[in-house]
Amino acid sequence: GDSVTQMEGPVTLSEEAFLTINCTYTATGYPSLFWYVQYPGEGLQLLLKATKADDKGSNKGFEATYRKETTSFHLEKGSVQVSDSAVYFCALRNSGGYNKLIFGAGTRLAVHP
Amino acid sequence: ETGVTQSPTHLIKTRGQQVTLRCSSQSGHNTVSWYQQALGQGPQFIFQYYREEENGRGNFPPRFSGLQFPNYSSELNVNALELDDSALYLCASSKGGDRDINEQYFGPGTRLTVT
Repeated sequence: GDSVTQMEGPVTLSEEAFLTINCTYTATGYPSLFWYVQYPGEGLQLLLKATKADDKGSNKGFEATYRKETTSFHLEKGSVQVSDSAVYFCALRNSGGYNKLIFGAGTRLAVHP
Repeated sequence: ETGVTQSPTHLIKTRGQQVTLRCSSQSGHNTVSWYQQALGQGPQFIFQYYREEENGRGNFPPRFSGLQFPNYSSELNVNALELDDSALYLCASSKGGDRDINEQYFGPGTRLTVT
């Protein structure tokens, strides 16, 4: 079945460091890919998405490129801030089905001043 | 904020009891999905309701059931609670139904603890 694998956390960085969180997926067909963020005590917020191969999603300085050849959707940010500390989830929604999201296990990011 | 609300925020139940969780969808949305997020895990899809009908279900037993009302709000019911049911339960609303790719907007969740 479809699945998403994320790098294990926690990821601990100093402010202004470069961030990469790896995400790979297994899916039949042509899924859409998402990154969600969960701040402490809150629900999930959509951070960015890409709906087809080679699309780049971007938002708030975060970027991810849909790479079909490597089945990856790695999240990057050039300069992290303390306020970026949260749990990040990679997810896919497969084509041809109802609007169901399949999530990875999440990666906790801690950014220190 | 997404406009999706859930109640209660937290609750504690005893094994074997039954629980009802509630979700109010964002205005204009007719689809509600429920997810279970165990501690340290990603959310797992439970089921989805579209225009008051269940139109998709994940790998959860029948003691997990739901309803959607004419105003598109929804309930998740869990019977015969087990310790492993302890989790954060998230609902997400979206526009459209089958095969639509519209963004899902998540509520803050209900934290259920089963003792």
